[in-house]
Amino acid sequence: QLQLQESGPGLVKPSETLSLTCTVSGGSISRSSYYWGWIRQPPGKGLEWIGNIHYSGSTYYNPSLKSRVTISVDTSEKQFFLKLSSVTAADTAVYYCGIYCSGDTCFFPNAYDIWGQGTMVTVSS
Amino acid sequence: EIVMTQSPATLSLSPGERATLSCRASQSAGSHFLSWYQHKPGQAPRLLIYGASTRATGIPARFSGSGSGTDFTLTISSLQPEDFAVYYCHQDYNFSWTFGQGTKVEIK
Repeated sequence: QLQLQESGPGLVKPSETLSLTCTVSGGSISRSSYYWGWIRQPPGKGLEWIGNIHYSGSTYYNPSLKSRVTISVDTSEKQFFLKLSSVTAADTAVYYCGIYCSGDTCFFPNAYDIWGQGTMVTVSS
Repeated sequence: EIVMTQSPATLSLSPGERATLSCRASQSAGSHFLSWYQHKPGQAPRLLIYGASTRATGIPARFSGSGSGTDFTLTISSLQPEDFAVYYCHQDYNFSWTFGQGTKVEIK
């Protein structure tokens, strides 16, 4: 059973870059049907999709964040990463990593079936 | 970019009552790509329904999903105390993943 764990600084200063890591355990990261994603929830608001990365390295970003977001993967370390640049208070949120399995070979096709517990990131000076 | 619109924003009901949550997509990606999640404070979101109508493993039968095209519904047939939470629909449309804004099911 795959498990995910987010890690990274809980406090980031305005205008700086937010950097988070999602570590995968319990299975392979290199499966062609998997997209590894980041989702966030600002306080008092709903879930917002940030972006996904396929193990091949193909990336897909929320258009509203695309200019500031970079998602990358290190398959040898079984980790994937989020970088969000030029952060403001509006980027304060709980950040989740998740696995989206695409296609009929998935146990739960076309859904985020595995999530990390989330990590709170506050943007403040 | 696809937009998912959920209604109502808040549903105030008593335990034992039926909850009907609506989700409308601005474009149709097909029911295969529609999923529903339950989210409680301090917890990770939990997959309830995928493919618009199939319950994930361990999800009680009181949860059901329906719909096609651009209109989808999540029904909780008889609310249990543990069902009071926020529910999100989600769709993958042409490699753009979008969540609805959520429906909060609260105790009346």
